[in-house]
Amino acid sequence: EAGVTQFPSHSVIEKGQTVTLRCDPISGHDNLYWYRRVMGKEIKFLLHFVKESKQDESGMPNNRFLAERTGGTYSTLKVQPAELEDSGVYFCASSQDLQAVEGYTFGSGTRLTVV
Amino acid sequence: DAKTTQPTSMDCAEGRAANLPCNHSTISGNEYVYWYRQIHSQGPQYIIHGLKNNETNEMASLIITEDRKSSTLILPHATLRDTAVYYCIVRPSNNAGNMLTFGGGTRLMVKP
Repeated sequence: EAGVTQFPSHSVIEKGQTVTLRCDPISGHDNLYWYRRVMGKEIKFLLHFVKESKQDESGMPNNRFLAERTGGTYSTLKVQPAELEDSGVYFCASSQDLQAVEGYTFGSGTRLTVV
Repeated sequence: DAKTTQPTSMDCAEGRAANLPCNHSTISGNEYVYWYRQIHSQGPQYIIHGLKNNETNEMASLIITEDRKSSTLILPHATLRDTAVYYCIVRPSNNAGNMLTFGGGTRLMVKP
């Protein structure tokens, strides 16, 4: 089966611009998660979708970040306006069941650089 | 905050067993121990998990102490491709707290 796909793999934008990251989960996986690692820090949870609904968005840093999953398939994460501290790697993961006992499958990430 | 403590880095000779320790002294009865790894430029990869019993799969073995306060991930025959950051994570087995809380992990360097 195809894995979790993220696009783009790299993005370089100027401070104040808008960027949209996309994640295509494994087909049939209702649960979709966004994580990120900013420079020098640990990987942090951002939010969790179950189908098109936000199950937990406690990790979203501020209102410049907007995540959507219309139709319950792919998800987008928009950063508007981007700030320098948003630079980092954004990971998406998916799982079939809510408990994800057998672990999540992560994508390779999108490396975002804000200059 | 992560509920686990791991050494920052470890070296291992190629072909030898890599034993990665993890301390999780405050683990609760309903929490699993999970191991993920991140190879450079890739996303985290699930390796193995366990609750009480030792576990083995095609990638690794997980040894959990009887009091569950610590565990060891064993890569039986490490290869250069096993060079990565290894994360030990505790996570509830119920629906609460579905997120993974990553700590700093152990950077394993497998050397020829």
